[in-house]
Amino acid sequence: LAKTTQPISMDSYEGQEVNITCSHNNIATNDYITWYQQFPSQGPRFIIQGYKTKVTNEVASLFIPADRKSSTLSLPRVSLSDTAVYYCLVGSSGAGSYQLTFGKGTKLSVIP
Amino acid sequence: NAGVTQTPKFQVLKTGQSMTLQCAQDMNHNSMYWYRQDPGMGLRLIYYSASEGTTDKGEVPNGYNVSRLNKREFSLRLESAAPSQTSVYFCASSGGGGGEDQYFGPGTRLLVL
Repeated sequence: LAKTTQPISMDSYEGQEVNITCSHNNIATNDYITWYQQFPSQGPRFIIQGYKTKVTNEVASLFIPADRKSSTLSLPRVSLSDTAVYYCLVGSSGAGSYQLTFGKGTKLSVIP
Repeated sequence: NAGVTQTPKFQVLKTGQSMTLQCAQDMNHNSMYWYRQDPGMGLRLIYYSASEGTTDKGEVPNGYNVSRLNKREFSLRLESAAPSQTSVYFCASSGGGGGEDQYFGPGTRLLVL
């Protein structure tokens, strides 16, 4: 199983760009990288997914270097409502066998 | 379209009691999962079902059993609850393989005394 490491917490002011990095040194060839957002008393919610290079959607960007040993979630111009815990997930499937490893999460606090 | 639903929302058990956590999804997903979430530990996979009729162990399966009742429903059973099983349990589903984005339920908070 890939081991994932994230910072425990981060603070940011409203309007700033926030970058959260996840390390996954032993990522496997078939593994995808997915980021989730979780608010208190709710289940995690999908943000973005990628395999390599850069992916962008309406809420975030995901940067994955060529060696894929880390990934960075970028949130542009955060607001108070972005205060949440963010998890990276490294996972793949093959022959019906799933390998899924969540990081322990990064608690992002957005300050007014 | 309710997505992923879980029952109950909250449960208190005494050590040694048994219970079943229920999960259902209405998105016609093939794969379903059970996770537990403990403070500082993130989410850990207990069991998953890649497709109807199959189940497999995840990272922390000891003390649990699962049943994929049909394509919609995936239950988690604690045969003899222990205080170490106090946690928040999340069910999730996805269209296909382990790399696909998952949709999570609201969670079940379980307290074992």
